[in-house]
Parts: sequence; structure tokens; C-alpha cells
Amino acid sequence: EIVLTQSPDFQSVTPKEKVTITCRASQSIGNSLHWYQQKPDQSPKLLIKYASQSFSGVPSRFSGSGSGTDFTLTINSLEAEDAATYYCHQSSSLPQTFGQGTKVEIK
Amino acid sequence: QVQLQESGPGLVKPSQTLSLTCTVSGGSMSGNNDYWSWIRQPAGKGLEWIGRIYTSGRTNYNPSLRSRVTISVDTSKSQFSLKLSSVTAADTAVYYCARDREFSYGYYYYYSMDVWGQGTTVTVSS
Repeated sequence: EIVLTQSPDFQSVTPKEKVTITCRASQSIGNSLHWYQQKPDQSPKLLIKYASQSFSGVPSRFSGSGSGTDFTLTINSLEAEDAATYYCHQSSSLPQTFGQGTKVEIK
Repeated sequence: QVQLQESGPGLVKPSQTLSLTCTVSGGSMSGNNDYWSWIRQPAGKGLEWIGRIYTSGRTNYNPSLRSRVTISVDTSKSQFSLKLSSVTAADTAVYYCARDREFSYGYYYYYSMDVWGQGTTVTVSS
């Protein structure tokens, strides 16, 4: 099973600041790494697929990069509505797995 | 657009079988190389992939749950279902269904879960 480790676990950020979340895989997964946003009492929403492809309707301030074992989700100019927990997810091999999540709080 | 809705009992007794159904609306379950997945999330914790099914009936399960899980599909009803046997308190969670869609990027194909249901809370308690 591929283990995904996110860092940090928690981040408190002021609006308009840049946020960077990393996800490290226990073995190479190519580009099969995806990012989700989950707000309280809501289901996860796909933000970035295949490491760097923006999903339809996602604001352009969200971007992804990386390949192999190291990946990054960047939120440029954070907005109040971006307060949420962010998860990375790999579909390179079964079982599919998720990172433990990174909670982003607005100061 | 496609929407998913989970349904089923919110309370299950220990040692019994948890049964949930996901109804797909706004689109067909067939015609694309899509899988249909179940994921769960204990309160305050992260996401765990349970397994998925293709419309042909082909399934993949998480090895950690394989001995207790059965996922089935009924395309005539646009539904797929989850059964989890011998439940304990550790199975208490929000259960989500999701579409595991095949995407392409150049010569590459990959799967990503692009549509999720709202989730249903299942509590295991006597």
C-alpha cells in the first residue's frame, strides 16, 4: 500500500497570503496524484487531478505541481472561503489511498 | 450533471451487516470507463477508500476490508451498493459514494474521483 504523507497538518494563514501544502508518496506514483478540498460537513471536492490539471470550475488560484514522490498544492492569494481541509489522493495503484489531510485556517 | 445520493440505515448493531445504496442521477452509469467507489471517513479523521465496482461487475476492494466487503451494481436502477459485514464500533463513519472517472492526458489514462455524494452517517451501536 502506498502511504501519502502531507505537511503541514495544520496551517493558519491570513487572507491574500500564499499557501503551500506538500504530499510525499512512499513510492513513485508518476503523476497519479489528486487534490481535494473538504469543508466542514461537506463531501470532498476535486480541485487538481493528475498532479497539475485543474478540475473544471476550480478557481485559478489553486494549482498543483510535482511528479514521482513529491507533490505540492499551492493556493495563491488565499480567500476566506478557502478555509478547509485539503487531502491528496493517489490512484496509481490499489488500494487507492489518501493523505492524512491538512487543515487550513483563516487568521 | 451527474449526482450521487447515498441511502441506508443510520444505525447498525454490532456484528450485523451495514447496507448502503448509492443512486446515480443526471447521467448514465455505463458508456464510459468509469468505476463507482465507496469511501468512508470516521468523525474528525481522514478518508479511507473501501472499494469500487465497474458496470460489468468487476470489483476492487481495500485489502484491509476485503473479507467483510461486497460491492454490487444494478445498472437498470442506476444504483450500486455496499455491504459490510460483522461491523464494530470502528466502522462508525460517514460513508461516501463517488464516481471514479477515467481521464486522459496525452497517452496516459488515470482515474480520479470527480463526483461525490453528500455522505451518510452510519453509527454502529447496540
